[in-house]
Amino acid sequence: AQSVTQLDSQVPVFEEAPVELRCNYSSSVSVYLFWYVQYPNQGLQLLLKYLSGSTLVKGINGFEAEFNKSQTSFHLRKPSVHISDTAEYFCAVTYNPHQGGKLIFGQGTELSVKP
Amino acid sequence: DGGITQSPKYLFRKEGQNVTLSCEQNLNHDAMYWYRQDPGQGLRLIYYSQIVNDFQKGDIAEGYSVSREKKESFPLTVTSAQKNPTAFYLCASSGPTGEALNTEAFFGQGTRLTVV
Repeated sequence: AQSVTQLDSQVPVFEEAPVELRCNYSSSVSVYLFWYVQYPNQGLQLLLKYLSGSTLVKGINGFEAEFNKSQTSFHLRKPSVHISDTAEYFCAVTYNPHQGGKLIFGQGTELSVKP
Repeated sequence: DGGITQSPKYLFRKEGQNVTLSCEQNLNHDAMYWYRQDPGQGLRLIYYSQIVNDFQKGDIAEGYSVSREKKESFPLTVTSAQKNPTAFYLCASSGPTGEALNTEAFFGQGTRLTVV
C-alpha cells in the first residue's frame, strides 16, 4: 500500500533557528505532493505543493520544500522560524491529478518554536 | 467569502446514537471528502464524492454513511455501528473535476465529536 512517512513526530526549535521537517513517500510513480499546516482545533491550510517542474517549491510564510524523486522525499524547510510557526505540519500525496482531495497523509510533525 | 463550513464545531453523542455532521461549500467544487483525524495518526479518508448522487468508500468507511444530493452539501452520519467515534472530523473539497489538474484540497474548520 502507498504510504507517507514523516520521520519526526515532534521537532522543538528555538526562534530564528532554521528547521527541516522530513517527509518520505512510498512510490516512485507520478506523484503530487503537499505540505499542510494545522493550528490547534482548526482545519488544514495549504503551505505549498509540487505538481511538476522545478523541484524547489516556495510556499507561504517563508517555507519551501524540495522534491527529490530518487530519494522519494519532500522535505519542508524554513531558514528562520518564528513563534507563530508553532503548529502541526502534515505531508500528503495524491497519485491522481483529477482527485486533488483524495490524499494520503503522513502522521504529522509537531513543530514547537521556543523563545 | 468562498469556503467550506462545517457545523457544529463541537458535538457530543451518547452511546447508540446516530449523529450527522454538516459540510457545506460555496467554491463550486465538484469533489468533496470526509477525513477523520486521531492524535498521532494523521488524517484518514472516510468517504468521498466526485459528483452529485455518487460517492465512494475511503479507507475507514465502516460505521459511517454519507449522501450527496446537492453539489454544495456532503453530510456525514456517524452511526451506532462506529465503535470508536471520538475524533476530529474534517471535510474538504477540490475541483472542478473538468480541469486537468484540480490538485488542491480546501478544508473546513472541523467538528470535534465526543462520545459521552
